[in-house]
Amino acid sequence: DTEVTQTPKHLVMGMTNKKSLKCEQHMGHRAMYWYKQKAKKPPELMFVYSYEKLSINESVPSRFSPECPNSSLLNLHLHALQPEDSALYLCASSQDPGVRAAFFGQGTRLTVV
Amino acid sequence: QKEVEQNSGPLSVPEGAIASLNCTYSDRGSQSFFWYRQYSGKSPELIMSIYSNGDKEDGRFTAQLNKASQYVSLLIRDSQPSDSATYLCAVNRRGGADGLTFGKGTHLIIQP
Repeated sequence: DTEVTQTPKHLVMGMTNKKSLKCEQHMGHRAMYWYKQKAKKPPELMFVYSYEKLSINESVPSRFSPECPNSSLLNLHLHALQPEDSALYLCASSQDPGVRAAFFGQGTRLTVV
Repeated sequence: QKEVEQNSGPLSVPEGAIASLNCTYSDRGSQSFFWYRQYSGKSPELIMSIYSNGDKEDGRFTAQLNKASQYVSLLIRDSQPSDSATYLCAVNRRGGADGLTFGKGTHLIIQP
């Protein structure tokens, strides 16, 4: 089972809204990631959680706030986003940090209006 | 600057032929290499991983790695129209829990 589940699949939010993206995996993976993908571009790494601790923040604006409540869950809290933040947000997990392959969820298509 | 380079295509291949996708990377410390397939509007799907020099085969797919040349390739035999997608080369960044660096992807079109 290599399933990573993301909710919601689609989200439209205003620039003053607060929303959260959720990600869940039950594979016992110890590393979880948030990526952002714009149209016709490759995924870009945003955050890495390793053993439930934030290990990498790729200089992401503070309007994006990650949270890892436990080893199976990863959230991305959104506040005061801009229209240019509209993108596909991908959660991924891997068995351990670093070497192993990452498995992606189906993504959340975010539109900021 | 750590980079992963791919020809963006489109690469057009007749059905039943071999599709050859190439990727080069700049960081000699890279340890792990992956090929992902992404259909339009969908998320990336892992199709191959390779960690040591040489070839690795899985069904119709063969990944090839040459660390000395910093080169990774993916061969798809007996190409099918359903193989039409964007293929992303991804490289594990040096030093542990630091995620993947992706190439820009090659758009593959299999012509029936």
